[in-house]
Amino acid sequence: QSALTQPASVSGSPGQSITISCTGTSSDVGGYNYVSWYQQHPGKAPKVIIYDVSIRPSGVSNRFSGSKSGNTASLTISGLQAEDEADYYCISYRSTTTLGVFGGGTKLTVL
Amino acid sequence: QLQLQESGPGLVKPSETLSLTCTVSGGSIINSPYYWGWIRQPPGEGLELIGTINYSGSTYYNPSLKSRVTISVDTSKNHFSLNLSSVTAADTAVYYCGRTDVLSTVLWDWGQGTLVTVSS
Repeated sequence: QSALTQPASVSGSPGQSITISCTGTSSDVGGYNYVSWYQQHPGKAPKVIIYDVSIRPSGVSNRFSGSKSGNTASLTISGLQAEDEADYYCISYRSTTTLGVFGGGTKLTVL
Repeated sequence: QLQLQESGPGLVKPSETLSLTCTVSGGSIINSPYYWGWIRQPPGEGLELIGTINYSGSTYYNPSLKSRVTISVDTSKNHFSLNLSSVTAADTAVYYCGRTDVLSTVLWDWGQGTLVTVSS
């Protein structure tokens, strides 16, 4: 099954804001408010930072926010910090498979 | 605090079956409203959801792997397992287990992951 589409890489300077997109179809991102975002540091397991499009789990910084428009979901990180440098993955429920499908991942570099 | 721990061989020969177990501690699988899943990540690549199972054995599989995957649960041992048959080098990956929901989009807890290499 095809993955959701994410940019391979994004970068920003400390203090800036960046946005990572996650594009799917009406059978996944566009059809349901079941999009989550994960942060993965090298050698570590991923950690959920946004679920159901825009909800932050307890303990996740409010510098992370999520939104959706049509078939594209977005993760915005404001006030970039060095510790935000990591890989970010989106996942959406896909009705045709009744299973979640991941995006290809985006490497965030903090300059 | 729920913890998950993957276990199994780190090296599997081509054409054989990869078998991993995820042991859950700090919580019970039985009668849990959650699903339990397997996710893999080839070296330097992205994440792929393999499939999920609940305590009663209801499963959802990734269509691209469905013909080779079996996920099972043993509530008496509080663990669930992954079998992936006819493996090739393309199945070399870090395999994670996790706690999720029926939609499998929110993976609340993850194991640390275990690297499985397919090589003769």
